[in-house]
Amino acid sequence: EAQVTQNPRYLITVTGKKLTVTCSQNMNHEYMSWYRQDPGLGLRQIYYSMNVEVTDKGDVPEGYKVSRKEKRNFPLILESPSPNQTSLYFCASSLNGGLSQETQYFGPGTRLLVL
Amino acid sequence: GENVEQHPSTLSVQEGDSAVIKCTYSDSASNYFPWYKQELGKRPQLIIDIRSNVGEKKDQRIAVTLNKTAKHFSLHITETQPEDSAVYFCAASSMNTGFQKLVFGTGTRLLVSP
Repeated sequence: EAQVTQNPRYLITVTGKKLTVTCSQNMNHEYMSWYRQDPGLGLRQIYYSMNVEVTDKGDVPEGYKVSRKEKRNFPLILESPSPNQTSLYFCASSLNGGLSQETQYFGPGTRLLVL
Repeated sequence: GENVEQHPSTLSVQEGDSAVIKCTYSDSASNYFPWYKQELGKRPQLIIDIRSNVGEKKDQRIAVTLNKTAKHFSLHITETQPEDSAVYFCAASSMNTGFQKLVFGTGTRLLVSP
């Protein structure tokens, strides 16, 4: 089954404790992206990746890192989480982001609470 | 960069009524406009999309219209049903950056009452 998966689905942590949220897709998509969803703000892009070893900042990259060492995986890293990073996070992928007219498929989401 | 505004933020209708959600965008180079539906606790899922070379697209009870001159697009749901209750997001994809950057609206919470 074609899908985007994320782990963990729920996470409670404390300020400053490094964490990683994994994202994996099995559709051989080149483009992957991370969003955060906050009430009243919609979905905002954190980072995106056009292909292996090609990543760039989105609209709200502060406090986050990503890597793309393999095509299928795009982990989101919070080196020193802070309470303002409490949010619902979605990973998404599309076949070839460069075409600019493609459906993005979303993962199930990761709800993060930083105390 | 692109900016997408979405209205209303909440919409309550009676079952069987029509619902209309409107979005405006700022970047005239945007050429792809998807709509996503997000049910409570679930991921956003594409329900319909429209490309800039088309003015209207319909899929059963849902339709999307695009006015490129005015830079706005709308989602129309007819004969609403309780299962249409969800948060709906519009988005615009700009082309001039060389890759697909979807900018989302802030969402509309639709409540359909039986």
